[in-house]
Amino acid sequence: SQQGEEDPQALSIQEGENATMNCSYKTSINNLQWYRQNSGRGLVHLILIRSNEREKHSGRLRVTLDTSKKSSSLLITASRAADTASYFCATDQLNTGGFKTIFGAGTRLFVKA
Amino acid sequence: NAGVMQNPRHLVRRRGQEARLRCSPMKGHSHVYWYRQLPEEGLKFMVYLQKENIIDESGMPKERFSAEFPKEGPSILRIQQVVRGDSAAYFCASAGTEQETQYFGPGTRLLVL
Repeated sequence: SQQGEEDPQALSIQEGENATMNCSYKTSINNLQWYRQNSGRGLVHLILIRSNEREKHSGRLRVTLDTSKKSSSLLITASRAADTASYFCATDQLNTGGFKTIFGAGTRLFVKA
Repeated sequence: NAGVMQNPRHLVRRRGQEARLRCSPMKGHSHVYWYRQLPEEGLKFMVYLQKENIIDESGMPKERFSAEFPKEGPSILRIQQVVRGDSAAYFCASAGTEQETQYFGPGTRLLVL
């Protein structure tokens, strides 16, 4: 079964720097989504990019999608300490009856103040 | 508009007891998904339900685990005869008719002693 795989597994940067996280997947997808999870909390949906889109922006977030390489990247610009969290990519695979969303293991981002 | 609600937030059970986890989807959402997250790992899909129907239970263990989403009331994930390996965070997510974006609850953290 397909699974999004993020890299790096962990990333530590200084406040103000940019953070880039990558996600690869194995099969055709309908869309790809990025989520954030603060420690001990639920997931927060960040951004969805469809398979026919190449780039999408939302505030300080920039997501790219390369379907030929089956990969996506999440860029957080001008990072803040509050961005410290785990970031997951998720791919939607169309099954009979609807979509199944497959999550990767996540990238743990630590932003030092 | 309240988000996805899960209760209890924390649940402690002894081996052999039953655990019942509840999920109330966002208003107007009829699709519910359950995920399990082991410490330091990503989310694993368990089951996808619509009202009164199980659509996809391919990620759910065949024994001891069951899920339902009745016509009235919350979705229930039930784990019978819990074992220590069941200790994890269990998240539910709900989606509307387009099913593309899932909104997550805060999770239930199950600890089996």
